[in-house]
Amino acid sequence: EVVMTQSPATLSVSPGDRATLSCRASQSVSSNLAWYQQKPGQAPRLLIYGASTRATGIPARFSGSGSGTEFSLTISSLQSEDFAVYYCQQYNNWPRTFGQGTKVEIK
Amino acid sequence: QVQLVESGGDLVKPGGSLRLSCAASGFSFSDYYMNWIRQAPGKGLEWLSYISRGGSTIYYADSVKGRFTISRDNAKNSLYLQMNSLRVEDTAVYYCAREGGVVDVWGQGTPVTVSS
Repeated sequence: EVVMTQSPATLSVSPGDRATLSCRASQSVSSNLAWYQQKPGQAPRLLIYGASTRATGIPARFSGSGSGTEFSLTISSLQSEDFAVYYCQQYNNWPRTFGQGTKVEIK
Repeated sequence: QVQLVESGGDLVKPGGSLRLSCAASGFSFSDYYMNWIRQAPGKGLEWLSYISRGGSTIYYADSVKGRFTISRDNAKNSLYLQMNSLRVEDTAVYYCAREGGVVDVWGQGTPVTVSS
C-alpha cells in the first residue's frame, strides 16, 4: 500500500502568518491527492483535490501544489477558523490511504 | 442540501455484530461511488471500504476484509456496512462518504464501541 507521511506533526503558527504543510507518498500517486480539514467533533471537509484544485467554497488562501510523491498545502494568512487538523489522502491506488495528520495550532 | 446521515452505531461486545446505515439525500445517490471511513478515538482517518455505483465493484482494507461487508440500495438511497467478528480495535467513529472521483461529502459519523 501507499504510505502517506505528513510533516510536521504539529505546526504552531500565529494568526495572519503563512503555514506550509507537507505530504509525501511512498510511491507516485500522480496528482490524485486530496487535502482535508477536520475540526474537533466534526467530520473532515474537502479542501483540495487533484493536488491543486480548491473544492467548492474553499477560500483562496488555501492552495495546494505538487505531483508524484511530494505535495504541500499552504495557508497564506491563517485565520482563527483555520486552526484544525489537516490530512492528505491519495486516491490513485487501492487501498486509499491517509497521512497521519498535521495539527495547526495557535502559537 | 447534500446530506449523509449515518446510524446504527452502538456498544457491542468483542465478537459481536453490528450493521451501520447511511441515508443519502440532496443528490442522485446512484450516480456516486460510496465509501466507509473510520476514526479511532484521538487517531487519524482510516479508509475501510468502497462500493461502485451499481455495487459490482467493491474494495476493502485488509484490516476489515472478511469481517465487514459493504452494500447499497439505490432505490432507498442507502449505504450499509455489516460488521461481524468485531474487535476492541474496531472502536471508532464510522463515516460514510460520497465519492465522485474524490471523497467530497462526509456524514457526521456514528460511534461504535467494542468492549466487554
